[in-house]
Amino acid sequence: DIVMTQSPDSLAVSLGERATINCRSSQSVLSTSNGVSYLAWYQQKAGQPPKLLFHMASTREIGVPDRFSGRGSGTDFSLTISSLQADDVAVYFCQQYYSSPITFGQGTRLEIK
Amino acid sequence: QVALVQSGAEVKKPGSSVKVSCRASGDTLNNYLINWVRQGPGQGFEWMGGINPMSKTKYAHKFQDRVTITADEVSSTAYMELTSLRSDDTAIYFCARGDLITFAGVIASGAFDLWGQGTVISVSS
Repeated sequence: DIVMTQSPDSLAVSLGERATINCRSSQSVLSTSNGVSYLAWYQQKAGQPPKLLFHMASTREIGVPDRFSGRGSGTDFSLTISSLQADDVAVYFCQQYYSSPITFGQGTRLEIK
Repeated sequence: QVALVQSGAEVKKPGSSVKVSCRASGDTLNNYLINWVRQGPGQGFEWMGGINPMSKTKYAHKFQDRVTITADEVSSTAYMELTSLRSDDTAIYFCARGDLITFAGVIASGAFDLWGQGTVISVSS
């Protein structure tokens, strides 16, 4: 199984400041045939199901603010919020769907400092 | 508005079974793979398995002996049955939709772009 490890486990950032969450996979999730990394990012607010933010590592879903960006390839990925807003308080998860079983990172809790 | 609508919360005894439904409202299951994922108390997500439009299933090894995922195309409803329940099966169970992607000759799920609201299953004697 591919193990997904996020860092940090929790993060407190001031409003308007940058927040970066990292995700590392134990094996590459990059397809050499098409150059796609099968990595997604989700946001989960309290009491809600997750919301997909990015797929293929960096493809932003419709409606996701452009202050969110996803980067990386292979085994190392990051999610960055360029200017933190109060509405961004949530737990963020990465997920690989490159191979079965699909696996998730343990989550990073993002709070306002 | 497309939505995945799940059945309600249940309380079960150890050793019993539970069957959770997931109805696609405003769409069909035909063009997607439906995954089942659970989230234990204060924990991350575990993928349990999925079913494609051809009713072909794939299960996580951990759940292979206890889970059955089915789908009814007519009612656009997918089901997840978990047997031999234990206390550590207490969790929120989600269905989640993924696009069909072909990868290495196999139909697999894309990222989960639509989730059900979740069903709380509590297992306690």
